[in-house]
Amino acid sequence: QQQVKQSPQSLIVQKGGISIINCAYENTAFDYFPWYQQFPGKGPALLIAIRPDVSEKKEGRFTISFNKSAKQFSLHIMDSQPGDSATYFCAASKGNQFYFGTGTSLTVIP
Amino acid sequence: GAVVSQHPSWVICKSGTSVKIECRSLDFQATTMFWYRQFPKQSLMLMATSNEGSKATYEQGVEKDKFLINHASLTLSTLTVTSAHPEDSSFYICSARGGMGNEKLFFGSGTQLSVL
Repeated sequence: QQQVKQSPQSLIVQKGGISIINCAYENTAFDYFPWYQQFPGKGPALLIAIRPDVSEKKEGRFTISFNKSAKQFSLHIMDSQPGDSATYFCAASKGNQFYFGTGTSLTVIP
Repeated sequence: GAVVSQHPSWVICKSGTSVKIECRSLDFQATTMFWYRQFPKQSLMLMATSNEGSKATYEQGVEKDKFLINHASLTLSTLTVTSAHPEDSSFYICSARGGMGNEKLFFGSGTQLSVL
């Protein structure tokens, strides 16, 4: 059973636009929700993360919106740049258990 | 953020040989490290959880005799792919928990293994 569902699978955004990636989870015991950015041939890099007691967290152009009642969280990339083109993974965790989404391939067109 | 170093970045080997991949936490101690396998355009598949000073915990379907994991110190875990075969060719990534409260998961840069 997929613990974390991520959509869309791929996303194409114009430079300067807003990229939005969504994730949904099942287990209400999860207490940490990170987002990772991965470039081809590299390991994932931690981008931003949130705990369920906060509804929104912003770091630079990246914002996580968290809806505890709906068990959903999303990543918003403002003013998207070609350099943001990468695969993004959401995750949900409790203790040492980390569950990853299936990834979203983002392409930002100049 | 915390740094996890993984070596080598890529390795090509002949079928039947063994390959060792190292994962080091450079600026923090990691009692727990994780090993993942990733196929092209797919998500991360957890292979095993490596605990310092004890045996690794393998996920269902992962052969413990084929993928040997050793976590000899608080900063080093190794994955050895024994008697590698072409079907073992993949991208292997390690990770370790660190940061304040030990909640963050940091990844190594990955190792691309190609078995001929």
